[in-house]
Amino acid sequence: GESVGLHLPTLSVQEGDNSIINCAYSNSASDYFIWYKQESGKGPQFIIDIRSNMDKRQGQRVTVLLNKTVKHLSLQIAATQPGDSAVYFCAETAGDDKIIFGKGTRLHILP
Amino acid sequence: GAGVSQSPRYKVAKRGQDVALRCDPISGHVSLFWYQQALGQGPEFLTYFQNEAQLDKSGLPSDRFFAERPEGSVSTLKIQRTQQEDSAVYLCASSGPLGISYEQYFGPGTRLTVT
Repeated sequence: GESVGLHLPTLSVQEGDNSIINCAYSNSASDYFIWYKQESGKGPQFIIDIRSNMDKRQGQRVTVLLNKTVKHLSLQIAATQPGDSAVYFCAETAGDDKIIFGKGTRLHILP
Repeated sequence: GAGVSQSPRYKVAKRGQDVALRCDPISGHVSLFWYQQALGQGPEFLTYFQNEAQLDKSGLPSDRFFAERPEGSVSTLKIQRTQQEDSAVYLCASSGPLGISYEQYFGPGTRLTVT
């Protein structure tokens, strides 16, 4: 089976609220995790990454949290905007350059 | 533009035809990856090049799939005798100097429809 997956296929969030997208992984050998955003008709776009020796990493309006105890990864988007509408994928790699993607969560922004 | 480009963007093939999909990576990027993305799914790894060397082709679904990168820049993914199950978006990604970043930059993909 897949080593990376997501808890919810679709998430609807009010504009201006914070969004939290969750991901579970099963490969304890993975040492690097990435979140990608994919808009319709485009390739995945890198958002933020985190190494396995970290618990939290912040970017511009985004935060990634890693809980290695329960093998859980989350992406938090602050003050969600209409432009954040997309499918979000978590992905992992065990250092061999092969990236394993999860199925994705579609984020809907409600006006 | 300085991004990864792919051509054609859309390809319709009749079952049994051969197709060739092209990827132009970001100039100077050492690593190049091909992924297959079925509708509603995440991308799945197909194969990986470091310069002209194909280091991993474990994701190629059958021997009908073949990829090359003869001069270490442009890459071509070829699918022979296409089948309906080959219908998907084929994504190419490239990344820069080894050991610096795992960040892969993706192209827009080629949507292949086999009829």
